[in-house]
Amino acid sequence: EVQLVESGGGSVQPGGSLRLSCAASGFTFRNYWMSWVRQAPGKGLEWVANIKQDENERNYADSVKGRFTISGDNANNSLYLQMNSLRADDTAVYYCTRESLYGGYATWGQGALVTVSS
Amino acid sequence: DIQMTQSPSSLSASVGDRITITCRASQSISSSLNWYQQRPGKAPKLLIYDASSLQHGVPSRFIGTGYGTDFTLIITSLQPEDFATYYCHQSSRTPQTFGQGTKLDIK
Repeated sequence: EVQLVESGGGSVQPGGSLRLSCAASGFTFRNYWMSWVRQAPGKGLEWVANIKQDENERNYADSVKGRFTISGDNANNSLYLQMNSLRADDTAVYYCTRESLYGGYATWGQGALVTVSS
Repeated sequence: DIQMTQSPSSLSASVGDRITITCRASQSISSSLNWYQQRPGKAPKLLIYDASSLQHGVPSRFIGTGYGTDFTLIITSLQPEDFATYYCHQSSRTPQTFGQGTKLDIK
């Protein structure tokens, strides 16, 4: 069974850092585009970043470029999102997703809540 | 960036109704358009990919049409479990972008 499980969410002060992890199982991690998508409380979905491990390619939304880093560990089938210089508007549920080979995000984690507040 | 504009932003309907949600892209995205359903407190669920392909396990009452810039999601004969929020999503160009969502509730 294909499964994604996020961890590492929590509360942090503005300017602080947090690292999200996503444990993947049931598929070969490096063969897929993996993304982080976030959703602020009561708001819509926002794509944050994606990575294709076997092509060493990664992309970021302008809103997080230079502050967030997406990475992966093929040996452990894990995806990460290192978030630095966090701001109040980064407060959201962060979802780890796997892109289907045919388009769209077919697999989602349960989400990890990140709250940035003083 | 490609802007995705969904309409309506909210919709009230009854069980058994047929409803249509539209999504317009600010530039052509071919058929790289996906639709999701999200229930409160849950992760989104992929319904339609590549504009008109039904994701495995999704009921056939969900229909996606369109190409280029104009797309529609049709739900024929609404069921109680269909009342949720729906999002379109373009995967043609980076950054990938979502519509603002359509909240479907019971009339």
